[in-house]
Amino acid sequence: DTGVSQNPRHKITKRGQNVTFRCDPISEHNRLYWYRQTLGQGPEFLTYFQNEAQLEKSRLLSDRFSAERPKGSFSTLEIQRTEQGDSAMYLCASSSWRTSTDTQYFGPGTRLTVL
Amino acid sequence: AQKVTQAQTEISVVEKEDVTLDCVYETRDTTYYLFWYKQPPSGELVFLIRRNSFDEQNEISGRYSWNFQKSTSSFNFTITASQVVDSAVYFCALSPDNYGQNFVFGPGTRLSVLP
Repeated sequence: DTGVSQNPRHKITKRGQNVTFRCDPISEHNRLYWYRQTLGQGPEFLTYFQNEAQLEKSRLLSDRFSAERPKGSFSTLEIQRTEQGDSAMYLCASSSWRTSTDTQYFGPGTRLTVL
Repeated sequence: AQKVTQAQTEISVVEKEDVTLDCVYETRDTTYYLFWYKQPPSGELVFLIRRNSFDEQNEISGRYSWNFQKSTSSFNFTITASQVVDSAVYFCALSPDNYGQNFVFGPGTRLSVLP
């Protein structure tokens, strides 16, 4: 199986610009998750999709953040009017409720630097 | 509220030494899942193990072993005969339902195995 892929791997942007990240989950995984990880910390949950439905959003997810999974396959995470505090690694994971473990498998992440 | 504590920020060992990574958790849920993930320098989180709260049996997988003790709310991870390739950040995580916003990671322990 192909693993979770994320693009781009690195993104450098100026404060105030919009950025969009893409996540392609493992084929046929119906659950998809976004996390944010800052240096020296563990990942923090941002949002979760089951198929195309966004079921949960963290309080960390401000109005500047929006995520979509329009066809229940790939997902995008957009950050509008980026701030320096948005600099972090953005991780995507996917899982399948059809398996007994429903384990989350992670992609390589997109590292965002806001100047 | 759920919480995962990994008190060891960094550990250094010499190759072939055994090393134990500590994980202490807090939860009010009677049913929950515990996880360990490895994050090598490449950045991608690698799933190692999932254990549910009803299964206190210790597990061994090659050089890895896990000790789950509900009485002390701990889920410790031991690497036997460590190797340089074991160098990574290791995260313990907790979730009441295997997914969603209550999937909480600890801050991680950085393990350096020196040749």
